This record gives sequence, structure tokens and C-alpha cells, in this order.
Amino acid sequence: NAGVMQNPRHLVRRRGQEARLRCSPMKGHSHVYWYRQLPEEGLKFMVYLQKENIIDESGMPKERFSAEFPKEGPSILRIQQVVRGDSAAYFCASSGQGSLTEAFFGQGTRLTVV
Amino acid sequence: DQQVKQNSPSLSVQEGRISILNCDYTNSMFDYFLWYKKYPAEGPTFLISISSIKDKNEDGRFTVFLNKSAKHLSLHIVPSQPGDSAVYFCAASGANAGKSTFGDGTTLTVKP
Repeated sequence: NAGVMQNPRHLVRRRGQEARLRCSPMKGHSHVYWYRQLPEEGLKFMVYLQKENIIDESGMPKERFSAEFPKEGPSILRIQQVVRGDSAAYFCASSGQGSLTEAFFGQGTRLTVV
Repeated sequence: DQQVKQNSPSLSVQEGRISILNCDYTNSMFDYFLWYKKYPAEGPTFLISISSIKDKNEDGRFTVFLNKSAKHLSLHIVPSQPGDSAVYFCAASGANAGKSTFGDGTTLTVKP
């Protein structure tokens, strides 16, 4: 049973380009969470999605960032017009239900903006 | 304002001894507390958790203690092994543990 799959593992973008990060949850999981980790810091919650719905986006920056979890296919975190400050590790997690169940994390995508 | 704090960035212990990692929180509405372990270039791995209605949870070599009045929890690893060397994150959540607030982590080094 494959775990949470994220791709790409590493992504390099020039300033102003778009970054697309993909996440396939564990089989049977319908809840997806995106977190960002800046160097020397903990993980910061960004957004919580279920299929075709954004449940909680309280941690998402107001501009340039968006997320989706379509009926078919992986969840996508999209960052438009990237800036150097977007360089970070982005982790996706999934869970089977949304209450008192720990989330299972993917290996992350390390975004570098040059 | 950081709601979950791990005040020790690093901890070094000898193999076989006890490792104690500490975590403080400020939000009394948290229902659930979790510890994750993270190796470099990998995602966090769930280790152990505790509900706010309990004060202790044990799983093999790992025990988590919760002191609600002090808003403090700790993770005890006994005996520590070199393979335990990693970054340990404390996290806290409301009713949905998938949406958690993380501390900045403590790097544990277990020396052979």
C-alpha cells in the first residue's frame, strides 16, 4: 500500500514562474492537508481539502497561492509568480477522516526559487 | 504568537539512557497532542499521541506525558537508541488532528 506520494521531490523555478506541486493521498484517504516548512522552522498549516472542496484555507497566503483536490487525480498546490521567499519544503498529508486521526505525510517537495 | 513551543533546539544523550523532549503550548482549546519524528529529506512520521482527557500514553519505548494545568507535554524515550536520532516535532490540534500547529522541533542525537 503506497503512502502519500508527492512529486516532484525537487523543483527549481525562476522568479516569476509558476510552481505546481502534486500530492496523491494514501489509498482510501479523502482528506488532504498542505504544510510549508521554512528553514529552521516547524511545519505551518496552509490548507485542508476534501474531494472538490476547500474546507479550511486559513493558512494560505492571500495572493499567488491556490489549492485544489479534484474528483479525479491528485491534489495540486499552485504558486503563481514565485518569489525567493517561497523557497521551502512543502509537505502534503492525508487522513482517512477528519477527526482525531493523525495525518500521514509525504516526503515533501523542496521548492527552490532562483 | 507561537502557540506551540519547543524551547530546546537540540538534545544529546548517550545510548541506553532516557531522552526527554519538552513542549509547551498556550491554547487551552487544543484537544489532541502528537509527536512526529523526521529524518532529513523525508516527511514527518507519526510517533505517538495523547488526548487532552488523558495524562499519559505509552507505546513501547515511547511515553508521552500531558500536564494540562501547566500546558506542558513531554516525550520520554527509554532506552534511547542511535536510530532515534532525528528531529522531533510536537504538534497540537483541535478536533481535526490533520490540521495541527507544530513546534519548531528538537534535534535529538543519541550517541553510541
